[in-house]
This record gives sequence, C-alpha cells and structure tokens, in this order.
Amino acid sequence: EIVMTQSPATLSVSPGERATLSCRASQSVSSNLAWYQQKPGQAPRLLIYGASTRATGIPARFSGSGSGTEFTLTISSLQSEDFAVYYCQQYNNWPPLLTFGGGTKVEIK
Amino acid sequence: EVQLVESGGGLIQPGGSLRLSCAASGFTVSSNYMSWVRQAPGKGLEWVSVIYSGGSTYYADSVKGRFTISRDNSKNTLYLQMNSLRAEDTAVYYCAKASYYYDSSGYAAYYFDYWGQGTLVTVSS
Repeated sequence: EIVMTQSPATLSVSPGERATLSCRASQSVSSNLAWYQQKPGQAPRLLIYGASTRATGIPARFSGSGSGTEFTLTISSLQSEDFAVYYCQQYNNWPPLLTFGGGTKVEIK
Repeated sequence: EVQLVESGGGLIQPGGSLRLSCAASGFTVSSNYMSWVRQAPGKGLEWVSVIYSGGSTYYADSVKGRFTISRDNSKNTLYLQMNSLRAEDTAVYYCAKASYYYDSSGYAAYYFDYWGQGTLVTVSS
C-alpha cells in the first residue's frame, strides 16, 4: 500500500499570504495525484488532478506541482473562503490501489 | 448539472446491516466508475469500494467480504450494502464519480471529480 504523508498537519496563515502544503508518497505515483478541499460539514471538492491541472471552476490562485514522490499545493494569496482542510490522494494504478493523505488544516493566523 | 444525493444512513447496532443509496443526475452511473469513500468523525478520508462501468468491483481490505457495491441502471443509482457492521464502520459515507485522463504511460488514470453530500452511519449499541 502506498502511504501518503502530508505536512504540516496545521498551517496558520494570514489572509493575503501564500500557503504551501506538502504531500509525500512512500513510492512513486508518477503524476497521478489529486488535491481536494474540504470545509466543515461539506463534501470534499476537487481542486487539482494530474498533480498540476486545475479542475473546472477552480481559481488560478490554486496551483499544484511535483511528480514521483514529492508534491506541493500552493495557494498564492489566501482568501477567507480558503480556510479549510486539504487532502492529497494518489490514484496510481487505481483501481484498486487508492490512498489519501491525512490532511492539512489551513487556519487563520 | 451533475448531482449525487446519498441516503440510507442511520443508527445501527453492531452486527447489523444497512443499505446506502446514491441517486445520480446529470450523467449516467453505468457509464462511469463510481466509488464510495468514508470519513470517520474527526478523521481523514478512506476509500471503500469502486464499481467499474463494465461491472467489476473492488473493495478496501477493511470491508472486503462484508460490503457489496452495486448499481441499478434503470434508477441511475449506486448502492452500498453493508453487513456485519462494526463500531469502526461509523463514518460519513460519500459516493463519488470518477473521471479519467491518459497518463504519461498511456494508462487511464482515474480521480474523483464529483462527490455527494454524504450520509452518516453510526454503529453503536
């Protein structure tokens, strides 16, 4: 099983600042990685797939990069609606092997 | 517009059974890979099961032999039959639609582009 490790667990950022979230895979997942945003009481929302492709309707301030085992989600200028939990997910060779990271909570500083 | 609406959750005793439903609109369930993903209270996301457009099914080891994924094409609805429920199955269950692209190796790479709002299953005596 591929283990996905996200860091930090919590990120405190002021509105307007840049946020950088990391995701590491225990073995290469190529570029088969997605990022999701989840707000309290809501379902996850797809932000990025293919490590760097923004999903439909996602603002340009969200960007993804990386390949292999190291990935980054960057939010260039945090807006109030961006404070949430972010999950990475690998889907290399899925089905059936699919795993999520433990999440990074982005909170207001 | 794509919509997924789950139902069927509730309080159930350990060892009991429950069937979750996910009614889809805006696309055809049988033409897509469809999955269930769960989230225990205060925890992260855990993939549970998938059904291929061709009908093949796969399960996480934690639910294999106890859960069954299926669909009703006439109702455009996805199901999850959960038997022998345990306390550790307590979670919000989401259904999700998968989309795909061809990766650098030429393989179809699937990811979840739409999610339902979830239904809570609580296993407790």
